[in-house]
Amino acid sequence: GQQLNQSPQSMFIQEGEDVSMNCTSSSIFNTWLWYKQEPGEGPVLLIALYKAGELTSNGRLTAQFGITRKDSFLNISASIPSDVGIYFCAGQLRSNFGNEKLTFGTGTRLTIIP
Amino acid sequence: DTEVTQTPKHLVMGMTNKKSLKCEQHMGHRAMYWYKQKAKKPPELMFVYSYEKLSINESVPSRFSPECPNSSLLNLHLHALQPEDSALYLCASSQDPYRAGGVNEQYFGPGTRLTVT
Repeated sequence: GQQLNQSPQSMFIQEGEDVSMNCTSSSIFNTWLWYKQEPGEGPVLLIALYKAGELTSNGRLTAQFGITRKDSFLNISASIPSDVGIYFCAGQLRSNFGNEKLTFGTGTRLTIIP
Repeated sequence: DTEVTQTPKHLVMGMTNKKSLKCEQHMGHRAMYWYKQKAKKPPELMFVYSYEKLSINESVPSRFSPECPNSSLLNLHLHALQPEDSALYLCASSQDPYRAGGVNEQYFGPGTRLTVT
């Protein structure tokens, strides 16, 4: 199925650094979701965005819904070891007919160098 | 509480076995989903149930058979699987698939790691 372009594919950073990743699509969405997945676990919802231009924070995480509705970014400030994992964006086009599928990005693998 | 539970955590089965995966949520969500995830890939949608009715089947082979006994439970029955079906199987739920203006984020369970030998 369709996947969103997510970059970078992987990041190797030192503890304390800030992280930025983004997701782009050729089609519009009216919801953007960001998930984090650790090895052997299911994705955990971090942030949900519902309006173009919306900027939302969750602790050290900040995400924005692009004004074109075709992109979103996620920033993590002052990274800590527990931030390690794979981050997935997901776009959704909600409608009155329900059953809106999630279109996932290809994932960004975050590794923290000791 | 945004918890979706899945059992078992790990499952090893032969190609002639029949087994079932179970998923449960008590958030009052009316949509439930099965996903398959291969290593280093995003989840791939398999089935969607809305109000206990199958609404989406993403052309999944018939050796996978979903069942939704009630609004809190979702099963995936497995029969005659192939080694390439080995993957992490994820269940998810969301509040109300028909509320376009409302919150409808999907919450995932921890998954069942399936190995087919």
